[in-house]
This record gives sequence, structure tokens and C-alpha cells, in this order.
Amino acid sequence: AQSVTQPDIHITVSEGASLELRCNYSYGATPYLFWYVQSPGQGLQLLLKYFSGDTLVQGIKGFEAEFKRSQSSFNLRKPSVHWSDAAEYFCAVARTNAGKSTFGDGTTLTVKP
Amino acid sequence: NAGVTQTPKFQVLKTGQSMTLQCAQDMNHEYMSWYRQDPGMGLRLIHYSVGAGITDQGEVPNGYNVSRSTTEDFPLRLLSAAPSQTSVYFCASSPDPGTSGGGTQYFGPGTRLTVL
Repeated sequence: AQSVTQPDIHITVSEGASLELRCNYSYGATPYLFWYVQSPGQGLQLLLKYFSGDTLVQGIKGFEAEFKRSQSSFNLRKPSVHWSDAAEYFCAVARTNAGKSTFGDGTTLTVKP
Repeated sequence: NAGVTQTPKFQVLKTGQSMTLQCAQDMNHEYMSWYRQDPGMGLRLIHYSVGAGITDQGEVPNGYNVSRSTTEDFPLRLLSAAPSQTSVYFCASSPDPGTSGGGTQYFGPGTRLTVL
């Protein structure tokens, strides 16, 4: 079965600083990979996804992620964080693109002014 | 489009009571899922449907029933509520895998359930 590990439970960065959220997955074949963001009291919103092709994918709100097969990783990055990016971020993996995913435990991002 | 809607937003039950959490989507998505989210944990899949009349169990199905009589609706039934079912419940829908949006899940706003 596939699994996802997000090693950082909580990250604090200053506004304007760069951000990297880590995600490691366990799956035998090439997985479908996703990053979602959840604002307090809200549902999840897709930031970006990787199915195949270019290993660097661009998403909404200035986020990008890089798929590294050799490291089984799919880390999320943003060059300059805004206060509105404070939220919880979830990495997810799926065997197919049929809308059934396994989620990591999430990383809570705090942005300092 | 309203997207994915869930009712109620909040619910308090007593142990042993039953209830149905409603989920509807207006995007004509074939795939729908129910997840629960507990503090410090990610989302865990309860039940899943690939179309009307077809459902399957997820990671944590015990204590929950689903049915899918229409494409739009995917209700989740708690048969006899237990305190361990206190959680936030999210419904999600997803387009056909053969489309460009395949794999992307669209989430409802959630139902916060407390079982006393």
C-alpha cells in the first residue's frame, strides 16, 4: 500500500522568506502526487499535481514542486512567502488518477510578519 | 456552480444515535469520496464511489454506510454513533480519469461532528 510522510509538523517562516515543505512517499511504481492547502475551517484546495512528464510542476499561488524519483520525494517550494500562505499543507499520493488518495499528516505553516 | 456542498456544517450526537451526512456536487463528477480528519492527522478514506450504484470501502469504513443512487449525491450514514467518530468529515468529488482534470479532488467545506 502507498504511504506519505511529511516530516515537519510545523514550520515557521518570515514573510518574504523562501519556503520548502517536505514530502516523501512510498509506492512501487510512479505515483500520482498532489499538494493541497487547507485554510482554517475550510476544505482542501489543490495547489498542484504531478502525473508524468516534466518533474518540476507549477501550481497556483506561486507554488511549485519537484518530483524526485531517486529520493521518493515531492517537495513543495515557494520563493517568497506571503502572510496569506499561513495554512495547513497536505501531500497526497494515488495509484491512479481516479480521485482516491492517501494523505500525509500535514504541515502547519506559520508566517511571521 | 456550487461545487461540493455538505450539510450540516456542525452536528452534536449522543452515543448510539444515527444520522446521515449529506454531500452533493453539481459538476457531474463520477468519482466521490468521504474522508475523516482528526487532529494532527491527515485525511483517511472512509468510503468511495466510482459512479451511481457502485461503492467501495476505504481505509476506515467500520461504523459507516454509503449508497450512491444518483451521480450528484453521496450520503454518509452513521449507524450507531460512538465518541470515536468525533471528527471533521469531508466529501470530495473528482472528474473522470480520462479528462485533463482527472485525479484532482474537489472538497466540500466539511461537517464537524461531535459524539457525546
